[in-house]
Amino acid sequence: EVQLLESGGGLVQPGGSLRLSCAASGFTYSSYAMSWVRQAPGRGLEWVSAISGSGDSTYDADSVKGRFTTSRDNSKNTLYLQMSSLRAEDTAIYYCAKMTRPYYDRSGYYCDYWGQGTLVTVSS
Amino acid sequence: QLVLTQSPSAAASLGASVKVTCTLSSGHSSYAIAWHQLQPEKGPRYLMKVNSDGSHTKGDGIPDRFSGSSSGAERYLTISSLQSGDEADYYCQTWGPGIRVFGGGTKLTVL
Repeated sequence: EVQLLESGGGLVQPGGSLRLSCAASGFTYSSYAMSWVRQAPGRGLEWVSAISGSGDSTYDADSVKGRFTTSRDNSKNTLYLQMSSLRAEDTAIYYCAKMTRPYYDRSGYYCDYWGQGTLVTVSS
Repeated sequence: QLVLTQSPSAAASLGASVKVTCTLSSGHSSYAIAWHQLQPEKGPRYLMKVNSDGSHTKGDGIPDRFSGSSSGAERYLTISSLQSGDEADYYCQTWGPGIRVFGGGTKLTVL
């Protein structure tokens, strides 16, 4: 059974930093890309970032480029999201998701398993 | 520009059927999409991938009441025999070179 468990959320001041983790199990972790997706209060889903199965390729949404860094440790089956220079508009539930391919693939590159999410609140 | 458009809301009666629509932007009618369900207080759940030819691939454990189809640039999610537990937000997702995008979501109310 695929399981994804996020952790690390909490309250942080504007301009601060936070690192989210996502522990994965139930599949061959290094064989699949992973993504972070968020949902701000009252808003829809927003794709934040993605990282290839080997970790050598990343995608970042324009809204977080230069502030957020996605990485993975395939020896620990864990995905990370290092967030810095946080803003009030980064307040959201952050979900990690398993992708269907190790790399972007035009034929099919979407989330097929999701975690329960972790809440990040940016406020003074 | 690759954009997905969804109606903000939909409603149907208990036991009835409903079709939720996701529209691809001009020039992208060949793209596949994925449907996801987001229920209150729960993480999202992958429902199915829908191709441009209407074929679809469902996720693990998704009931037969959920089906997908296509027409031109529109991708559909049809839920039949509606249950109260189907009340949720439904999102479509697609992908392209250098872009990953979700639709704005459709809030389904079961009357």
